[in-house]
Amino acid sequence: GENVEQHPSTLSVQEGDSAVIKCTYSDSASNYFPWYKQELGKGPQLIIDIRSNVGEKKDQRIAVTLNKTAKHFSLHITETQPEDSAVYFCAAKGRAGGFKTIFGAGTRLFVKA
Amino acid sequence: DAGVTQSPTHLIKTRGQHVTLRCSPISGHKSVSWYQQVLGQGPQFIFQYYEKEERGRGNFPDRFSARQFPNYSSELNVNALLLGDSALYLCASSLAEGAVGELFFGEGSRLTVL
Repeated sequence: GENVEQHPSTLSVQEGDSAVIKCTYSDSASNYFPWYKQELGKGPQLIIDIRSNVGEKKDQRIAVTLNKTAKHFSLHITETQPEDSAVYFCAAKGRAGGFKTIFGAGTRLFVKA
Repeated sequence: DAGVTQSPTHLIKTRGQHVTLRCSPISGHKSVSWYQQVLGQGPQFIFQYYEKEERGRGNFPDRFSARQFPNYSSELNVNALLLGDSALYLCASSLAEGAVGELFFGEGSRLTVL
């Protein structure tokens, strides 16, 4: 089945700096790659997603890149703000995995003011 | 519009007991998935239901079961509770079961097994 690995597990940046979180997946048939943000005491919330036919997608300060050959995708947050502090999860989903969304272990991001 | 609602929000059980967790999806969503999130880890897939049929099962023992009702709400049942079942149980709904589509999560039911 699908396996998603995420790095780093913890990331601390200064306000205004960029943050990058990287993930790899094992199932080459996966074709949908969402990123979720989880704040304390809440469920995960989608912040951006990318489909396998696209190499990059950007939404304001957030961007995601996908390298299908390497089975690697990354989240980039620019101009970080204290409210970006949370746990971020990458995930992968595809037909071969029975349409299950499989999550990485998470990255705890701290943005220091 | 109401989001995904889960109940109860917190509960404490002892080993050997059983628990029932409930989930109401967003109106119009026909697919419900259940995830277990142990502290410090990512959500682990337990079940997916679509149109009242089980569409996927994760690597969990038979003590875990679920069902979806005609109104698309869902229950997760766990029997013979173990200490290791202590976790946040998340329910997520989506429009359909296809390969592309956002999961909308509830705030979870935090289960503590003593």
